[in-house]
Amino acid sequence: DIQMTQSPSSLSASVGDRVTITCRASQSISSHLNWYQQKSAKAPKLLIYAASSLQSGVPSRFSGSGSGTDFTLTVSSLQPEDFATYYCQQTYSSPLTFGGGTKVEIK
Amino acid sequence: EVQLVESGGGLVKPGGSLGLSCSASGFSFRTAWMDWVRQAPGKGLEWVGRIKSGGTTDYAAPVKGRFTISRDDSKNTLYLQMNSLRTEDTAVYYCAAAVAATPDVYYFDYWGQGTLVTVSS
Repeated sequence: DIQMTQSPSSLSASVGDRVTITCRASQSISSHLNWYQQKSAKAPKLLIYAASSLQSGVPSRFSGSGSGTDFTLTVSSLQPEDFATYYCQQTYSSPLTFGGGTKVEIK
Repeated sequence: EVQLVESGGGLVKPGGSLGLSCSASGFSFRTAWMDWVRQAPGKGLEWVGRIKSGGTTDYAAPVKGRFTISRDDSKNTLYLQMNSLRTEDTAVYYCAAAVAATPDVYYFDYWGQGTLVTVSS
């Protein structure tokens, strides 16, 4: 199985900050990497698919990059509604696997 | 508007069985690959399994042999039959749809609201 490791597991940031979350795969997954946002006890929401494609309706302050084993999710200017937990997911091979999550909290 | 609505969650004793349903609308259910994802209390997301259009299934190791995913395209409904339940199966169960995705670029663009399954004596 492909293991997905996210870092950090949590971070504190202020409104307007640039935030970067990393996700590392235990083997190459090409660009088969998605990012989701989950706000407390709600269903996850797709932000980025195929490593760098922005899902329709998602603000352009969100961006994704990377390929192979190393990926990043960047929020260029954090907004109040962005405080949430973020998960990466690989869909290169079954079983599909998620990272452990990164909780973004208000500083 | 795409909607996924899960139902069937509840309290069940260890060793028991429970069936979940996910009613879909607003997209071509027949051609969509559908997944189940769960989230234990206070924990992260865990993929449970998938059913492709046409009915081929795929499962995560912890549930293989105990859980069965099926679909009724005539009713636009996805199912998860859970047998031999364990306390560690306690979680919110989400159905997720890969509507705009393709087998080569796969992602869950729609999610249901989730239904809680509690396995406890």
